[in-house]
Amino acid sequence: NAGVTQTPKFQVLKTGQSMTLQCAQDMNHNSMYWYRQDPGMGLRLIYYSASEGTTDKGEVPNGYNVSRLNKREFSLRLESAAPSQTSVYFCASSGPGGNSPLHFGNGTRLTVT
Amino acid sequence: EDQVTQSPEALRLQEGESSSLNCSYTVSGLRGLFWYRQDPGKGPEFLFTLYSAGEEKEKERLKATLTKKESFLHITAPKPEDSATYLCAVQARYGGSQGNLIFGKGTKLSVKP
Repeated sequence: NAGVTQTPKFQVLKTGQSMTLQCAQDMNHNSMYWYRQDPGMGLRLIYYSASEGTTDKGEVPNGYNVSRLNKREFSLRLESAAPSQTSVYFCASSGPGGNSPLHFGNGTRLTVT
Repeated sequence: EDQVTQSPEALRLQEGESSSLNCSYTVSGLRGLFWYRQDPGKGPEFLFTLYSAGEEKEKERLKATLTKKESFLHITAPKPEDSATYLCAVQARYGGSQGNLIFGKGTKLSVKP
């Protein structure tokens, strides 16, 4: 029962460095999401993918790119990290139906210095 | 603008002391309201989905209710293991955020033995 798996769990970057956050789900879900969570703020949607081969911007997409590699995997890339991108990043997936609940991974804690 | 406000921000209870958490929302047509539990260092865990005013759902010591403007999460005789942050999210039927979840900032519940 792995559910949604995120790697790495922790990462420290210097300003300007790049990295890719990995996410994989084993629930055969079509939809996948990337959120960021900051102190004192609610979870905010960065990008989502309604199905394999499609991606769409969420509320806060600037500075990020995504790739839906296949049905299982959805990656988030920071091309040139900035201190404002210090956050906890959560990947989620959801099953069929327009209002299926999201299943979250345990997050990647990213610090940009 | 679609919005979710949770209150209080933090709540401290003694074991066995029942209380309620509030989630007020404004949304362009409610498609669903979701409650999640989040433990420190973990991703949110799905609890309930409510779809229409008057609906109620229960799970162990938790009961969620929904009106046209707000939802309550009632906690009856809480135990220390109920300590967590409880997140509320709404899904809009119409508008720019259609289909995506809008999260509140959460209520951090602490239950002391």
